[in-house]
Amino acid sequence: GENVEQHPSTLSVQEGDSAVIKCTYSDSASNYFPWYKQELGKRPQLIIDIRSNVGEKKDQRIAVTLNKTAKHFSLHITETQPEDSAVYFCAASSPNTGFQKLVFGTGTRLLVSP
Amino acid sequence: EAQVTQNPRYLITVTGKKLTVTCSQNMNHEYMSWYRQDPGLGLRQIYYSMNVEVTDKGDVPEGYKVSRKEKRNFPLILESPSPNQTSLYFCASSLSTPWREQYFGPGTRLTVT
Repeated sequence: GENVEQHPSTLSVQEGDSAVIKCTYSDSASNYFPWYKQELGKRPQLIIDIRSNVGEKKDQRIAVTLNKTAKHFSLHITETQPEDSAVYFCAASSPNTGFQKLVFGTGTRLLVSP
Repeated sequence: EAQVTQNPRYLITVTGKKLTVTCSQNMNHEYMSWYRQDPGLGLRQIYYSMNVEVTDKGDVPEGYKVSRKEKRNFPLILESPSPNQTSLYFCASSLSTPWREQYFGPGTRLTVT
């Protein structure tokens, strides 16, 4: 089945710097890649997603890139702010692993220092 | 207001005592899912449902049951809870596959002693 690896597990940056979180997936048939943000004590919330027919998607300060050949995708956050501090999860969904199961990475704790 | 609700939010129970965690959504979503979240392991899908009376196993279904008798409700049942099921549980619903626009409930923190 699908396996998603996420790196780094923790990331500390200064306010205003960029942050990049990387994920790799194992199933070449995976076709949907969402990113979730989870603030302390809160529920995960979708922040951006990308489908396999698109190489890059941007939404203000966040962007996701997808390299299907290498089977990896990344979250880019520019001009980081303290409110970006949270745990970020990537995920991949494949039609091969049953009916569109969704497999998550283990999360990246991002700390943005003022 | 569009939302996913779960009850209870916190539960402490003993090994072997059957329990049900309820989940309800008011967005008319067809797809619903249960996840457990454990430190260092991220979110793992327990069961999911594509529509009324249609459910399938996720990655960690052992020890859990679900039912989907109505579109809005998707309860999670632990018939004989064990300490290794101590976890934070999230219910979620989605407008369509593959899990686009997935909304999560507030979570249920379960402790099994």
